[in-house]
Amino acid sequence: AQSVTQPDIHITVSEGASLELRCNYSYGATPYLFWYVQSPGQGLQLLLKYFSGDTLVQGIKGFEAEFKRSQSSFNLRKPSVHWSDAAEYFCAVGQANQAGTALIFGKGTTLSVSS
Amino acid sequence: DSGVTQTPKHLITATGQRVTLRCSPRSGDLSVYWYQQSLDQGLQFLIQYYNGEERAKGNILERFSAQQFPDLHSELNLSSLELGDSALYFCASSAGADWFEKLFFGSGTQLSVL
Repeated sequence: AQSVTQPDIHITVSEGASLELRCNYSYGATPYLFWYVQSPGQGLQLLLKYFSGDTLVQGIKGFEAEFKRSQSSFNLRKPSVHWSDAAEYFCAVGQANQAGTALIFGKGTTLSVSS
Repeated sequence: DSGVTQTPKHLITATGQRVTLRCSPRSGDLSVYWYQQSLDQGLQFLIQYYNGEERAKGNILERFSAQQFPDLHSELNLSSLELGDSALYFCASSAGADWFEKLFFGSGTQLSVL
């Protein structure tokens, strides 16, 4: 079965510094990959997605992610973090099996931004 | 605002009880998904309905059931509740049937089983 691993449970970054959140997936074929963000008390919001083509995808709020097949990774990056980026970030992979299709989420990385 | 409405926002109940969580999808969306978020399990997919029919099933317990009504709102029924069922339950909707479409999440229902 497909799975997603986010190795970092919590990351603290200074405001204005760059950010990279790690995501590793397990999937036999070309995966469909997503990054979602969850702000406190809110539901999840899609930041970006990768299906095929250019391995560097741009998302909302200045985020980007790079798909690296050789490393089974889909890391999220932002060149300069703002205090409003403090939230929980989830990587997800699409899963298809006999039971249907669904998004499988990692356990999330909590981002704190220090001033 | 995602356009997905979940009620109630908070629910406190006792073990052994039954509760119903309600979700209204975005206008025009035909798919509704239910997810459970807990500290130990993370965000777990439970079930998807598309235009009234069950389309995909995840880690949903037999004590849990869901349905989608003709007006496309959905209800998640949780019965014989246990302490471990305490979690944040999210509903999401999308326009079509396929999971790779953009999901819009509600703000969730926080269930506390005491």
